[in-house]
Amino acid sequence: NAGVTQTPKFRVLKTGQSMTLLCAQDMNHEYMYWYRQDPGMGLRLIHYSVGEGTTAKGEVPDGYNVSRLKKQNFLLGLESAAPSQTSVYFCASSPGGAGGETQYFGPGTRLLVL
Amino acid sequence: AQSVSQHNHHVILSEAASLELGCNYSYGGTVNLFWYVQYPGQHLQLLLKYFSGDPLVKGIKGFEAEFIKSKFSFNLRKPSVQWSDTAEYFCAVNAQNYGGSQGNLIFGKGTKLSVKP
Repeated sequence: NAGVTQTPKFRVLKTGQSMTLLCAQDMNHEYMYWYRQDPGMGLRLIHYSVGEGTTAKGEVPDGYNVSRLKKQNFLLGLESAAPSQTSVYFCASSPGGAGGETQYFGPGTRLLVL
Repeated sequence: AQSVSQHNHHVILSEAASLELGCNYSYGGTVNLFWYVQYPGQHLQLLLKYFSGDPLVKGIKGFEAEFIKSKFSFNLRKPSVQWSDTAEYFCAVNAQNYGGSQGNLIFGKGTKLSVKP
């Protein structure tokens, strides 16, 4: 099993450009999450999904959109990138949301917005 | 709102020293607690977790953590650190039945551990 994979690994954008980050998991997990990690801020939840076709807002959703058309994929979109969105983005998945479920993380996508 | 506090931003130790990283959370109900580790350039990996039962939890690589409900704490410990333990450590909490969080984790800001050989 590959676990959780993310594409791309690194990307440079200009302000105003758009892009989509792809997260894929092969563990048949119901729940998927997108976080951003900034120095000294820990991980903050952007959006999450509790199943195919569902999405919900996390702590810092502004400027991002997500889609979960297939159970194994969770896409994070930036419609108009801003320098404040320069960050490392991590995707995670878990079997379910009972609260005690371990989240499994992908390797991250480093995004630089100029 | 829930919050997680990690008291130390950066800890520097020599090899074989003992380690204790503090973690406190703010929710008064039932919680599930986690410690994740992020080695340089890598993704987060689970070190250990507490759901219920014995409040002393043992994880991988000789790490352990103790849940003290009265202190809202879940401190991470290791008796003797190695250079390979150099990493950033994150405490995370899931508060069951809190605002429909549905398994969402609240992370602390992390503690960087540097171990000198």
